[in-house]
Amino acid sequence: GIQVEQSPPDLILQEGANSTLRCNFSDSVNNLQWFHQNPWGQLINLFYIPSGTKQNGRLSATTVATERYSLLYISSSQTTDSGVYFCAVGSYNTDKLIFGTGTRLQVFP
Amino acid sequence: GAGVSQSPRYKVAKRGQDVALRCDPISGHVSLFWYQQALGQGPEFLTYFQNEAQLDKSGLPSDRFFAERPEGSVSTLKIQRTQQEDSAVYLCASSFGQGSNTEAFFGQGTRLTVV
Repeated sequence: GIQVEQSPPDLILQEGANSTLRCNFSDSVNNLQWFHQNPWGQLINLFYIPSGTKQNGRLSATTVATERYSLLYISSSQTTDSGVYFCAVGSYNTDKLIFGTGTRLQVFP
Repeated sequence: GAGVSQSPRYKVAKRGQDVALRCDPISGHVSLFWYQQALGQGPEFLTYFQNEAQLDKSGLPSDRFFAERPEGSVSTLKIQRTQQEDSAVYLCASSFGQGSNTEAFFGQGTRLTVV
């Protein structure tokens, strides 16, 4: 099945810093979603982005489907950005989302 | 409601007890998924429904796990004779389209602890 790898596994930032999270996948996808899992365990939808570029406030994402990767950019990070960021993909030969192992982000004041 | 709703939020079960976890998807969503998330891991797929049909149950870890969605809306995940390794967060998701090709939305999860 399709493999999803995320990097880095851990990231520690000071408030105000920028960061880039990466998601690599091993096959063609028809769905790619970025989630933020907050300390209470809720998976918050950030982007639905099987291809192209989207922006939402301080966050933006780019998926280059032909090269099988996606990037999540966080600018001017805040302490409330802390948590685990997951990339999840769906492919044409499966009916489910496959999750990566996540990037744990800690933002300190 | 506006989002996916799961109940209970927390469940403590004695080993050997049966439990039932409920999921209310977003109204009108065709697809419903159950995932299991162990501590420090990403969610792992359990099963998928398209309306009332269970099209994929390949992720269910044993025959003690059973899921149903009899009217194509609310779903229940049942675990019989719970064991300590069943301790995890159980997440439900729904999406408007079929399969994995439309945006999925997750509930807050049910944290199951087996003692």
